[in-house]
Amino acid sequence: GQSLEQPSEVTAVEGAIVQINCTYQTSGFYGLSWYQQHDGGAPTFLSYNALDGLEETGRFSSFLSRSDSYGYLLLQELQMKDSASYFCAVGRGSTLGRLYFGRGTQLTVWP
Amino acid sequence: ETGVTQTPRHLVMGMTNKKSLKCEQHLGHNAMYWYKQSAKKPLELMFVYNFKEQTENNSVPSRFSPECPNSSHLFLHLHTLQPEDSALYLCASSQARDSYNEQFFGPGTRLTVL
Repeated sequence: GQSLEQPSEVTAVEGAIVQINCTYQTSGFYGLSWYQQHDGGAPTFLSYNALDGLEETGRFSSFLSRSDSYGYLLLQELQMKDSASYFCAVGRGSTLGRLYFGRGTQLTVWP
Repeated sequence: ETGVTQTPRHLVMGMTNKKSLKCEQHLGHNAMYWYKQSAKKPLELMFVYNFKEQTENNSVPSRFSPECPNSSHLFLHLHTLQPEDSALYLCASSQARDSYNEQFFGPGTRLTVL
């Protein structure tokens, strides 16, 4: 089986930096992805790490350490519109498209 | 229409009804997925189709029956559902080679089973 752990809630103020951690246990690991979902909306892809290290995309960065089974999403210069749920997901196994999601972290950004 | 569309957006049905959810992707992808999202639970992968062939059935009860007539369309046929099946049902698509990272999700169908 597999398990993913991430905090259930995080709060921050506009302009701040927030890090959302994700630890996982799985076999056949194929990479760690991050998705954002606003209330009532569809999940949207943010980033993907297959190898160790940091991936940067604008205000968002994602990090992976395969040896530690750990990753994080870093959100900088927070804006009100960043208030949403953030999910980490692991791809695993030899079967196409098997993504397993964490329970999500609800981020609230205050003015 | 662009991206991934789903109809209906909301559905209320009784336990004895038969209904179908529809998903269409306009992205030229070759893989499609059904997910279930319940409150306080992670997204659960239900079915995976690759080039119209089902490659994954994640121990889903037989009261859920998927159909993929072509790479652009995906259906989820529902019959004799239970109240605990009430959830948001999300469709997604991707290129097969990108299936482990970037999947594109539709807006979902909010299903309520009475």
